[in-house]
Amino acid sequence: DAGVIQSPRHEVTEMGQEVTLRCKPISGHNSLFWYRQTMMRGLELLIYFNNNVPIDDSGMPEDRFSAKMPNASFSTLKIQPSEPRDSAVYFCASSSSQGADGYTFGSGTRLTVV
Amino acid sequence: AQSVSQHNHHVILSEAASLELGCNYSYGGTVNLFWYVQYPGQHLQLLLKYFSGDPLVKGIKGFEAEFIKSKFSFNLRKPSVQWSDTAEYFCAVIDSGGGADGLTFGKGTHLIIQP
Repeated sequence: DAGVIQSPRHEVTEMGQEVTLRCKPISGHNSLFWYRQTMMRGLELLIYFNNNVPIDDSGMPEDRFSAKMPNASFSTLKIQPSEPRDSAVYFCASSSSQGADGYTFGSGTRLTVV
Repeated sequence: AQSVSQHNHHVILSEAASLELGCNYSYGGTVNLFWYVQYPGQHLQLLLKYFSGDPLVKGIKGFEAEFIKSKFSFNLRKPSVQWSDTAEYFCAVIDSGGGADGLTFGKGTHLIIQP
């Protein structure tokens, strides 16, 4: 298994531009999680899906952030418009058994908004 | 809802020293427990996990952790650290049945090993 696959690995964009981050979970995993990690705030859960349905999006910072999971093998996290304070590493993770077995993390997308 | 407390935010040790990182959780039910490691510039990787049975679990790279139910603790240990153990370590807990709350992470301990 290739693990959780995220793209792009690095993204540099100008303030105000739309940014789309992508994630392919491990086949057979039915839960998917988006995290943001910064030096100041540490690891923050943004949103998670179970069976493609958003369960908890209380961690999404504001309306500029949106996430979708159109099918079991693909999810996107979109920021529109992007701001410099959105600069962070964004991780996607997936799990089976509603997380009871733990999560497998992707390699992350390092986003820089200038 | 569960919560996780990691006592030390930063730990600095010399090579060959022994390591113990504290982790306490707060939850009334049966839990599964995890330690994740994040090497510089990399993603979180599973170090070890406890579901049931022997409360002393062994993970990769010589790490082990002991679950003490009466203390709600799951401390991580390694008898002799190496420079390559420099990383961020996260303790995490989840209800053993999974569920809506998902995995709860501690804030992490940044471990620096000096050569």
